[in-house]
Amino acid sequence: DVVMTQSPLSLSVTLGQPASISCRSSQSLVYSDGNTYLNWFQQRPGQSPRRLIYKVSNRDSGVPDRFSGSGSGTDFTLRISRVEAEDVGVYYCFQGTRWPPTFGQGTKVEIK
Amino acid sequence: EVQLVESGGDLVQPGGSLRLSCAASGFTFSDYWMSWVRQAPGKGLEWVATINQDESVKSYVDSVKGRFTISRDNAKNSLYLQMSSLRVEDTAKYYCSRGSSWSASDWGQGTLVAVSS
Repeated sequence: DVVMTQSPLSLSVTLGQPASISCRSSQSLVYSDGNTYLNWFQQRPGQSPRRLIYKVSNRDSGVPDRFSGSGSGTDFTLRISRVEAEDVGVYYCFQGTRWPPTFGQGTKVEIK
Repeated sequence: EVQLVESGGDLVQPGGSLRLSCAASGFTFSDYWMSWVRQAPGKGLEWVATINQDESVKSYVDSVKGRFTISRDNAKNSLYLQMSSLRVEDTAKYYCSRGSSWSASDWGQGTLVAVSS
C-alpha cells in the first residue's frame, strides 16, 4: 500500500499568519493517464471531511483562495496564506492513484 | 446542491451483520462512481469500498474483503454497504462519498456503527 506521511502532525498558528503542511508518498502518485490523484481534505471539529484541493493544486468550488496546493511525484504541500479561525481542524492528504486509496495520518491545526 | 444522507448505523455484536444506506440527491446518481469511507472514533480516515455506475466494478480494501458488499440502486438513488462477520475493529463512522478514489468530491454526515458485546 502507498504510505502517506504528513508533517507536522500538529500545528499551532497565529491568526493571519501562514501555515504549511507537507505530505510525502511512498510511491509516485503519477497515474498512467498523466494525472496525479492527490487530494487534500479538511475536517472541522464535529463535521464530515470536505475536499479542498484535488489533483494536487485544483481548488474546489467555494474554497477560499488562501488555500493552495502544490507538489509533484511523491512530495506535496498544502499552504494556508493567512490562517483564519474557521480553519481550525484536521487536514488530510489522500492518494487515489493506486489501490487501495490511502490517507495521511492527519495534521491538526489550531490557533495559538 | 449535492446531498448524501447515510443511515442504518447501530450497535451490533461481533459476528453480526448490518446494512448501511446512503440516499443521494442533487445530482444524477447513475452518472457517478460512489464510495464508502470510515473513521474509527478519534482516528483517521480509511477507504472501504468503491462501486462504478453499473455495478460492474466493485473494489474493497483488504480489511473488509469477503465480509462487506457494496451495491447500489440507481432507480432509488441509493448506495448500500452490506456488512457481515463484523469485528470490534469495524467500529467507526461510515461516510458515503460521491466519486471514485480519484475524486471523493462530496461526503455525507456519516452513520455510526458500533461493534461490541
